[in-house]
Amino acid sequence: AQTVTQSQPEMSVQEAETVTLSCTYDTSESDYYLFWYKQPPSRQMILVIRQEAYKQQNATENRFSVNFQKAAKSFSLKISDSQLGDAAMYFCAYRSPTAGGTSYGKLTFGQGTILTVHP
Amino acid sequence: DAGVIQSPRHEVTEMGQEVTLRCKPISGHDYLFWYRQTMMRGLELLIYFNNNVPIDDSGMPEDRFSAKMPNASFSTLKIQPSEPRDSAVYFCASSLDGRPYNEQFFGPGTRLTVL
Repeated sequence: AQTVTQSQPEMSVQEAETVTLSCTYDTSESDYYLFWYKQPPSRQMILVIRQEAYKQQNATENRFSVNFQKAAKSFSLKISDSQLGDAAMYFCAYRSPTAGGTSYGKLTFGQGTILTVHP
Repeated sequence: DAGVIQSPRHEVTEMGQEVTLRCKPISGHDYLFWYRQTMMRGLELLIYFNNNVPIDDSGMPEDRFSAKMPNASFSTLKIQPSEPRDSAVYFCASSLDGRPYNEQFFGPGTRLTVL
């Protein structure tokens, strides 16, 4: 079974600075998908960024980018120019490829990292 | 679109009572998921449906839990009888189809407290 590990229970950053959240995973699959979700105090889970394992290029979404190291099974999230609204819990998630038919590759979440942004 | 809608947002009940959580997925989405979030176990998938049919319920903790999807726009998660260890935030999510890259859209969750 796949496992996702976020080794940083909490992180903090000054507004306008850069912070990196770590994520590692364990899998024997060669093709898979990785996601970062944000959960603000409102509880709503919001997709931040996603990466396909077969793509070498790191995904980027505005101030959010990832450092995907497939051999090391690492998928870190970098937040540049941090804003107060970035304060939230961040979850790394792994998704297996679809097995076919109606099967939906299971989404496995890490334990989360609480990010605090200081003004 | 209004997104995934869940009700109630908060539920407080006493041990032994029946609890029903409700979810309306995004219109046109083929997949619906129920998750449970606790401090101890994190975010766990309980069950998911494809076109109203349950596909995998291996995450349902025990027989006290049941889920239904009578039509494409409504699903329920029922706990009967409820126990204090069922206290958690329950999320419903939906996805357009099964393609692996597709996003799951989450509802705001229902915070359940069983006294």
